[in-house]
Amino acid sequence: NAGVTQTPKFQVLKTGQSMTLQCAQDMNHNSMYWYRQDPGMGLRLIYYSASEGTTDKGEVPNGYNVSRLNKREFSLRLESAAPSQTSVYFCASSGERGYNEQFFGPGTRLTVL
Amino acid sequence: EDQVTQSPEALRLQEGESSSLNCSYTVSGLRGLFWYRQDPGKGPEFLFTLYSAGEEKEKERLKATLTKKESFLHITAPKPEDSATYLCAVQGNDYKLSFGAGTTVTVRA
Repeated sequence: NAGVTQTPKFQVLKTGQSMTLQCAQDMNHNSMYWYRQDPGMGLRLIYYSASEGTTDKGEVPNGYNVSRLNKREFSLRLESAAPSQTSVYFCASSGERGYNEQFFGPGTRLTVL
Repeated sequence: EDQVTQSPEALRLQEGESSSLNCSYTVSGLRGLFWYRQDPGKGPEFLFTLYSAGEEKEKERLKATLTKKESFLHITAPKPEDSATYLCAVQGNDYKLSFGAGTTVTVRA
């Protein structure tokens, strides 16, 4: 099992460009999440999907959109990148919307110039 | 709003020198408190889940404890391979995780 995979690992964008971060899990988990991690701050939830076909906003959703393509895949889109979106992005999944731990991917380091 | 504060921000230890990390939290209806380990350039790796005050869990040199307001991660006789950032997170009634900023532990041989 690969667990949670993310692509790309690194990306540099210019202000105003768009891109999609891809995430896939092979653990048959129902719930998937997108976080961003910035220096000196904890991981902050951008969007989550409790189950296939549903998505909800997290703590910092502005400037992002998501798509739960199927049970395995959950993508994060930046329509018009801004320097404030420079961050490390992590995707995670969990078995149930409850007590189970979340498993994280290796992250995407994004720089917006 | 759920809040998590971790202290200290950084901890430098000599190999074999035991110490503790603190995680203070406020949450509406604690469903679980999670500890993760994060190595540089990698995603967080799950360590423990604690559900109620008084609960303790151990894994190798790590032991996590929980009270109604805080959790401690005790590192006993640490080794250089225990060097990492340790993250604490709480899950409240809305099922979302709120993370602390982490404690970076460096263990010198």
